[in-house]
Amino acid sequence: SAVISQKPSRDICQRGTSLTIQCQVDSQVTMMFWYRQQPGQSLTLIATANQGSEATYESGFVIDKFPISRPNLTFSTLTVSNMSPEDSSIYLCSVEDQSRAETQYFGPGTRLLVL
Amino acid sequence: AQSVAQPEDQVNVAEGNPLTVKCTYSVSGNPYLFWYVQYPNRGLQFLLKYITGDNLVKGSYGFEAEFNKSQTSFHLKKPSALVSDSALYFCAVKKSSASKIIFGSGTRLSIRP
Repeated sequence: SAVISQKPSRDICQRGTSLTIQCQVDSQVTMMFWYRQQPGQSLTLIATANQGSEATYESGFVIDKFPISRPNLTFSTLTVSNMSPEDSSIYLCSVEDQSRAETQYFGPGTRLLVL
Repeated sequence: AQSVAQPEDQVNVAEGNPLTVKCTYSVSGNPYLFWYVQYPNRGLQFLLKYITGDNLVKGSYGFEAEFNKSQTSFHLKKPSALVSDSALYFCAVKKSSASKIIFGSGTRLSIRP
């Protein structure tokens, strides 16, 4: 399976600032996904990022708040903009392995605390 | 619309006993079904999946799951629980033709020594 790394692993940020999270994969993948996991809850899909096209956002998430870049087939970034305490969550990137019946594999996550 | 339900927030089992973590789903057509595990301060790890074929699927760490089409269930099982199995378990479903995967609410498994 793909090996996925995320930076930073955790951060504590002040209200009103922005944080960019990086996701790096050790192989080329078509589809990458960004999820949010709020404390004690399940995963919620933020957006799907395909290389060469604009990210597709889920209901309740907008590009101004969560801009995403996908410059190549192994890398993506998610920015959490103008943060508030409600943005405190774990942010996870995942990739879909087309050779393994569309199984998704996840990075270790970025733990964000907004004060 | 597709959905997945994990009716138990928490499951408690004594070490050495069999464990079951329940999952039911709702999706049109033939589903892709998955189980993931999340250890504390870690990302999600893939355990196993059902796509087609044998209804009993074997996965990592001795876990297995049984696909039951008539009951629309995909329960996770292990014959003999270990303390190290204590973690948060997520069931997930997707349509075979779509890319969006839907996660259940999660079940916290606690194995006591």
